[in-house]
Amino acid sequence: GAVVSQHPSWVICKSGTSVKIECRSLDFQATTMFWYRQFPKQSLMLMATSNEGSKATYEQGVEKDKFLINHASLTLSTLTVTSAHPEDSSFYICSASSGPNTEAFFGQGTRLTVV
Amino acid sequence: GNSVTQMEGPVTLSEEAFLTINCTYTATGYPSLFWYVQYPGEGLQLLLKATKADDKGSNKGFEATYRKETTSFHLEKGSVQVSDSAVYFCALSDPLSRGSARQLTFGSGTQLTVLP
Repeated sequence: GAVVSQHPSWVICKSGTSVKIECRSLDFQATTMFWYRQFPKQSLMLMATSNEGSKATYEQGVEKDKFLINHASLTLSTLTVTSAHPEDSSFYICSASSGPNTEAFFGQGTRLTVV
Repeated sequence: GNSVTQMEGPVTLSEEAFLTINCTYTATGYPSLFWYVQYPGEGLQLLLKATKADDKGSNKGFEATYRKETTSFHLEKGSVQVSDSAVYFCALSDPLSRGSARQLTFGSGTQLTVLP
C-alpha cells in the first residue's frame, strides 16, 4: 500500500508553546488529508479535512485558531497546535487520500505531551 | 448521523483460540465497511474491507462479512496468535461522500490480548 509518514512520532513541549506536526505522502499525491485525535483507550475523532490548496474544513467543536492546518502541496499537510496546554496532550493521526472514493492511508501518529 | 458500535474490550484469549469482535453500524445509504488494526505506539493499518452487502473481506486469517440485514460487520479469526495482540477498530465510510475523499467514522476500538 501507499506510505504516509508523520513526523515527529512523539514530542514534549511546554505550556504556551506551539508544536508543528507534519504529514507526508511519500509515494502518491494526496489531494485530501484528514487529521484525527485519539484520547487514551478511545476511538479516533476527526478534527478536520484539508484539501490541497484550500482551507481546511473543521469538525464541530474543534478550534480552528488553535489547531492550524496547512495543506500547501500535494504531498504535505501540517497541523500546528498553538499555545499548547496540558489538555491538548493526545495522540494525533493523519491520513491521506489520492482522490474521490479512494482509500485513505494512515500515518504512524504523533504522541504530544504538553507539560 | 453515522455511527459504529463495537464490542467493548478488553478481550483476552489464549493462543489458537477463536476470535469474534462484534461491530454494528448505523448509516444512511450503503457505506463501505472496514476493520483497522493499531499496534502499540503505531498508527492504523487497514486489515480488511467490504464495499457492498454480502461481501466478505479477508486478510491474514481474519474475516468479516458485510451483513446489510443485521447492519453488522463482525470480525473473526479461527486461531489467534500472540502477534495479533493489538487494538481493532471497525469503521465505515460516509456514503454521502461519494465523489469526494472518504471520511471515516470509527468505532471505539477493542483491545485484544493473546496470551501464549
